[in-house]
Amino acid sequence: DQQVKQNSPSLSVQEGRISILNCDYTNSMFDYFLWYKKYPAEGPTFLISISSIKDKNEDGRFTVFLNKSAKHLSLHIVPSQPGDSAVYFCAASRSGTYKYIFGTGTRLKVLA
Amino acid sequence: GAGVSQSPSNKVTEKGKDVELRCDPISGHTALYWYRQSLGQGLEFLIYFQGNSAPDKSGLPSDRFSAERTGGSVSTLTIQRTQQEDSAVYLCASSLQGSAGELFFGEGSRLTVL
Repeated sequence: DQQVKQNSPSLSVQEGRISILNCDYTNSMFDYFLWYKKYPAEGPTFLISISSIKDKNEDGRFTVFLNKSAKHLSLHIVPSQPGDSAVYFCAASRSGTYKYIFGTGTRLKVLA
Repeated sequence: GAGVSQSPSNKVTEKGKDVELRCDPISGHTALYWYRQSLGQGLEFLIYFQGNSAPDKSGLPSDRFSAERTGGSVSTLTIQRTQQEDSAVYLCASSLQGSAGELFFGEGSRLTVL
């Protein structure tokens, strides 16, 4: 049972445009969400997080939106840069617990 | 270095052999995780250590898998009698406390079982 789903395995975007990566979850108890970026042959690195008390969190070019009623979150990258090309994972957990459930990832390719 | 260190970075083994994968977490991090990523799959939770508490082994796929963490620091993941379906990248992560905190991942150990 995949509790965290990233239904788009890949996405291509022109440099300078917006990249939107989507993530859906099924467990309504999840209240903390993270996005990780992974380059080939490297471990995932933390990008941005959001708690369920918010519906938006912004950090530079990266913004995460949370829609609790739809159990959906999205990561927006504006403007997209070639260096953003990587696999992006979303992860979810319940606060006070330690188990992070990851999605299957979306491979983003930003075309120069 | 200051990050999570894993060894070996690559391991090729024959079916039926045992393998050990090592993880050195960030100093001071009390929580340590093992995940694995099989080809085309997401990150699959395997096991979690927090301080001196009993580990959460609920993600280990079979009794051929085991892990220990000595002295609250270094961790070893052991796979006995390896099978081809064990081929994956095994990722170790640590965090300061283990809840609502950022995980810091190592570069992973790529295991190939022939």
